[in-house]
Amino acid sequence: DQQVKQNSPSLSVQEGRISILNCDYTNSMFDYFLWYKKYPAEGPTFLISISSIKDKNEDGRFTVFLNKSAKHLSLHIVPSQPGDSAVYFCAASARGSYIPTFGRGTSLIVHP
Amino acid sequence: DGGITQSPKYLFRKEGQNVTLSCEQNLNHDAMYWYRQDPGQGLRLIYYSQIVNDFQKGDIAEGYSVSREKKESFPLTVTSAQKNPTAFYLCASSIKAGDSYEQFFGPGTRLTVL
Repeated sequence: DQQVKQNSPSLSVQEGRISILNCDYTNSMFDYFLWYKKYPAEGPTFLISISSIKDKNEDGRFTVFLNKSAKHLSLHIVPSQPGDSAVYFCAASARGSYIPTFGRGTSLIVHP
Repeated sequence: DGGITQSPKYLFRKEGQNVTLSCEQNLNHDAMYWYRQDPGQGLRLIYYSQIVNDFQKGDIAEGYSVSREKKESFPLTVTSAQKNPTAFYLCASSIKAGDSYEQFFGPGTRLTVL
């Protein structure tokens, strides 16, 4: 049973518009959430994270929102750029755990 | 520069052969991990190690073995017992950030069994 779900396998967005990637989780013990970005044939790179004590974390064009009551988080990319085209993985971990649980990823395509 | 290296980038193996994938890090991280990625799948944990000479099975450890004799190195052996070994293998290490751990990944090894 997937504890971290990314229900949209793919997302297509026009350059300059907002990209919204969604992630849902089921384990109420998760309190730290991360987003990773992955290009083909490369390892993922850390993008942004959020702790459960916050509901928003922003880093440049990237903002992560956390809705604990809904067990939902989202990554917003504004404005989207063609170089953002990649697979985005959502991950979650419980307090004190160094083993994150990953979602299956969402492939984002940003069209020029 | 600090980072994680995996070698080789591409690896071909005949069915029935064991093969070892290399992973080295110079980030002074304590924890290291091996993941497998298949098309349409997320990252599935094979093995992880928190300290030298200690490692734990992940979700899909069957058919794999590891060693952690040095802090910098965490090689993964794909044995002939692994029924579907063709995949993209990722090694990672982690440092504690706040109350949790962010992982740094290597570039991956694409293993193809012929």
